[in-house]
Amino acid sequence: QQPVQSPQAVILREGEDAVINCSSSKALYSVHWYRQKHGEAPVFLMILLKGGEQKGHEKISASFNEKKQQSSLYLTASQLSYSGTYFCGTAKTSYDKVIFGPGTSLSVIP
Amino acid sequence: DTEVTQTPKHLVMGMTNKKSLKCEQHMGHRAMYWYKQKAKKPPELMFVYSYEKLSINESVPSRFSPECPNSSLLNLHLHALQPEDSALYLCASSPWRYLSGANVLTFGAGSRLTVL
Repeated sequence: QQPVQSPQAVILREGEDAVINCSSSKALYSVHWYRQKHGEAPVFLMILLKGGEQKGHEKISASFNEKKQQSSLYLTASQLSYSGTYFCGTAKTSYDKVIFGPGTSLSVIP
Repeated sequence: DTEVTQTPKHLVMGMTNKKSLKCEQHMGHRAMYWYKQKAKKPPELMFVYSYEKLSINESVPSRFSPECPNSSLLNLHLHALQPEDSALYLCASSPWRYLSGANVLTFGAGSRLTVL
């Protein structure tokens, strides 16, 4: 079942902060975050596992509320390079495939 | 080497053609994936190979035929495609298929396919 992402799109000025949310109606084992720039490959940002383990880039911050099956990606002091489409992916178990949400388009302008 | 390389970058084919997409990784990853991505949509899983064996087939039409000749290579053979198959085809790899819910995917840049 595909996770839900919000907002669908956001426009920021450089230096502003943003939060992207991802939620599921099913219990989750993991939440994954990827960013895809136009015409490029999706790039791994962060993975959050049930139980609290996280792996990802140092400058990326995210949270995973296991009780609510919700995750949030925090982008602070945004830079032009943050522009792209952010996908969250979720897996119900450690053996499950990752299903990606519809994406959030983020545009950072000068 | 932390790359997944896909060729060709662009492919235009007719509905009666036979063509192949190729993917290569040298990270020692033992799981490889094919995804299909339509414009402004998320990647959709097509196939997963784990230790060179087909692990997942997401009910993909038989006009798409995957092949994993060895642990570094993944092919997608295309035959008698339809215009609606036009999309970006992404290859990805991960360290292993087991515990896939905890795996980090490394994607290639994709092959953009147009079916006339």
